[in-house]
Amino acid sequence: EDKVVQSPLSLVVHEGDTVTLNCSYEVTNFRSLLWYKQEKKAPTFLFMLTSSGIEKKSGRLSSILDKKELFSILNITATQTGDSAVYLCAAIDYGGSQGNLIFGKGTKLSVKP
Amino acid sequence: DGGITQSPKYLFRKEGQNVTLSCEQNLNHDAMYWYRQDPGQGLRLIYYSQIVNDFQKGDIAEGYSVSREKKESFPLTVTSAQKNPTAFYLCASSTGGSSYNEQFFGPGTRLTVL
Repeated sequence: EDKVVQSPLSLVVHEGDTVTLNCSYEVTNFRSLLWYKQEKKAPTFLFMLTSSGIEKKSGRLSSILDKKELFSILNITATQTGDSAVYLCAAIDYGGSQGNLIFGKGTKLSVKP
Repeated sequence: DGGITQSPKYLFRKEGQNVTLSCEQNLNHDAMYWYRQDPGQGLRLIYYSQIVNDFQKGDIAEGYSVSREKKESFPLTVTSAQKNPTAFYLCASSTGGSSYNEQFFGPGTRLTVL
């Protein structure tokens, strides 16, 4: 069964800390991996990773994919209270349909002042 | 403004009642999706539609039904057959096609069964 596993499930840090969120996947027809940030409502898109070993950056956030070891990490440096959210990882599955997403359970990040 | 709207924001229903959640998009997207999110869980796919008048079951379709009569609209009905309907429901849309295109999410509807 295809699955996406995120760790840790929750994390509490202080402002200024650096955090690393993990996402591993087992998806038969894997194409790409996505990271989303979910605050109170809808997830907002952060990154899409398709190629292994190429880091994507957006401000204090960065992410990389390892297709050999089947995982991805999301790094957040110099964390701020506004980074508090649930971070969702999703794998794109092309088995039987086009571009369905398989989501992990998320990592709940709490950044304390 | 272009986007996806869902209504209502909060919905309460009694056991045994069917209820329909609305999802509308004006992004001219071909594909639309319904997800369910439970506490401590990721999003799980209920139904999706790649084109008007066509839709497919996702991973947890039992107890739900959908229709796609118009490109802009993809309503989800939670039937009395759904054993545990209390959850947060998210609708999404994308341009569809043969390769993955980013899914844009609506604000969600929180359904509570009393």
